Amino acid sequence: DIQMTQSPSSLSASVGDRVTITCRASQSISSYLNWYQQKPGKAPKLLIYAASSLQSGVPSRFSGSGSGTDFTLTISSLQPEDFATYYCQQSYSTLWVTFGQGTKLEIK
Amino acid sequence: QITLKESGPTLVKPTQTLTLTCTFSGFSLSTSGVGVGWIRQPPGKALEWLALIYWNDDKRYSPSLKSRLTITKDTSKNQVVLTMTNMDPVDTATYYCAHRRWLLDTGYSYFDYWGQGTLVTVSS
Repeated sequence: DIQMTQSPSSLSASVGDRVTITCRASQSISSYLNWYQQKPGKAPKLLIYAASSLQSGVPSRFSGSGSGTDFTLTISSLQPEDFATYYCQQSYSTLWVTFGQGTKLEIK
Repeated sequence: QITLKESGPTLVKPTQTLTLTCTFSGFSLSTSGVGVGWIRQPPGKALEWLALIYWNDDKRYSPSLKSRLTITKDTSKNQVVLTMTNMDPVDTATYYCAHRRWLLDTGYSYFDYWGQGTLVTVSS
């Protein structure tokens, strides 16, 4: 099966910072990569699909890039509401779905 | 407007079977490219995908849990049911159902709408 590894596992940053989170797949998944944001006690929210397509209603400070095995989620200027846990998820396999282990973004 | 809501027991005993129902509105599970998935999250831990069912009744299961899971749909009731047998305390988690969108022209797919989740505790 395809394993997804995120780094870092946790990250401290300040409002206004530019932040990058990385996700690596254990095999090539082309651009079949999605990103989700989850706040405590809430369901995940889709941010990015197909590696770089912004979901409707998501602020443009969020962007995604990458293909093959290496992907990044970038927040260009952190806002207070962006402090949350972020998950990548591969959709390459038609047999199963895999999430990364998550990256917790905390306030410095 | 797409909404989903999970329902089922909040407490189950070890070895029992868990049955969860996802009731949805705003879409039809008979529409091409549409699916519903189940994802769980143990307290303080990561998301774990469990199962998927598509409009054409194609079903997919997590390889590690496949022997314990069954997913079915009732299109007329707008419901998807997940059963998990032989529950164990390690299965304590919040269980989510989510709308799966599959772009048939490109093959891209994603969970774009989620239920609020339901916490299931496994304890004697």
